[in-house]
This record gives sequence, C-alpha cells and structure tokens, in this order.
Amino acid sequence: NAGVTQTPKFRILKIGQSMTLQCTQDMNHNYMYWYRQDPGMGLKLIYYSVGAGITDKGEVPNGYNVSRSTTEDFPLRLELAAPSQTSVYFCASSYSALVGETQYFGPGTRLLVL
Amino acid sequence: GDSVTQMEGPVTLSEEAFLTINCTYTATGYPSLFWYVQYPGEGLQLLLKATKADDKGSNKGFEATYRKETTSFHLEKGSVQVSDSAVYFCALSDVPSGGSNYKLTFGKGTLLTVNP
Repeated sequence: NAGVTQTPKFRILKIGQSMTLQCTQDMNHNYMYWYRQDPGMGLKLIYYSVGAGITDKGEVPNGYNVSRSTTEDFPLRLELAAPSQTSVYFCASSYSALVGETQYFGPGTRLLVL
Repeated sequence: GDSVTQMEGPVTLSEEAFLTINCTYTATGYPSLFWYVQYPGEGLQLLLKATKADDKGSNKGFEATYRKETTSFHLEKGSVQVSDSAVYFCALSDVPSGGSNYKLTFGKGTLLTVNP
C-alpha cells in the first residue's frame, strides 16, 4: 500500500513551457486534491475532484487544469508556466469529504519556473 | 471566511524541553481541527485531530484540546526530541452551506528545531 505517490520530485521549467504533475493513490479514495505551498505560507487548494469525471476549482485555479479519468489518478497540468507558479505542489486524497475526515498527502513536487 | 492563525516561527528548543505552538481559528460553522506535521523532504502527515469542543487529540506524545470558548487548538508536548524537528501546520475543516467540506484551511506553519 503505497498511499499517495507523486512524480516528478523536482522539475525546472522555462517560462511558457508546459508540464503535467502526476498523482496516484491506491487507497480507493473518491476525493482527491491539489494544493500548492509557497514559502512561509500554508497550503492553498488549486483543484479538487469528488470522483472520476468530476472536478472543481479551489482557491487558486488560474493557470492550471486537471482531469480525473480514473479513481486512482489525478494529474495537474500547467499549460504556460510562469514564475509565479514556482512552488511545492502536494496531491492529497480522502475517503470522504465529511468534516473531520483525514486527508492523506503525497511527498510533493518541487517546481521551479525560470 | 475561515482562517487559521498559528504562532510565528521558527521555534528552537533543546531536547527534553516543553513545547507549545499556539493556534487560533475563525470559522463560520462548527469545524474539525487538525495538526499536520511535515518532516524535512516529505509530505504532510496527520499528527492529531479533534472533531468537537473539549475533545483532546493525542499522538506520539503530542496533545491538543479543542477549545471553542477561546477558538484555540494549541499543540503541546512535554519533552521534545531531536526527531520532532519539522514544520507543524494547524488546519481546520468546516461545513459550508452545501453540507460537505472539500478543503482544509491551513495556517502558515511553524518550523520547530530541536537541538541535542
């Protein structure tokens, strides 16, 4: 049981390039989330999904896209990378969306846009 | 909207010292409260949580009590170890008008360094 896995661990992008951050969970969780963590700040929600085929925007969705074709995978797409997207990205999943439910986090992807 | 305010870091302690990291919150509903820990180079892990007033969450020697009257959830440990060095995040989840919750609201995190 690997939990939540993310690839790559680290990536450097040039301005305007695109990339996909991969996220996979093996806990059969319906709910999945993407957060970004900026230095000295808490995590901010980018997008979330309540099940395969269903996604919705979080607090900071601009510049990102997501898809959810399977229960296990929830990739995050950056189409035109900008320096403001330099951050650490965390994927998370949970069994439900009830108040009090624990979210399980992946190890993160560190992205540097130059 | 919901918010979490936690003690500014960094916090540096000697091994076996007492730890307190303050956390207060504002919420529109009746939130659940969490402490997550992030060890160097890793993702966040749940440390403990409490889902109703006066509940005490505990794990690995850490404790926090949900105080509704003071809107607080302070993290404490009686004797810290070098291995407790990490970033600690206070967070809450709340029920919006739709009846379900889809996100955690995080504080900014507090870096704890414990020296031998």
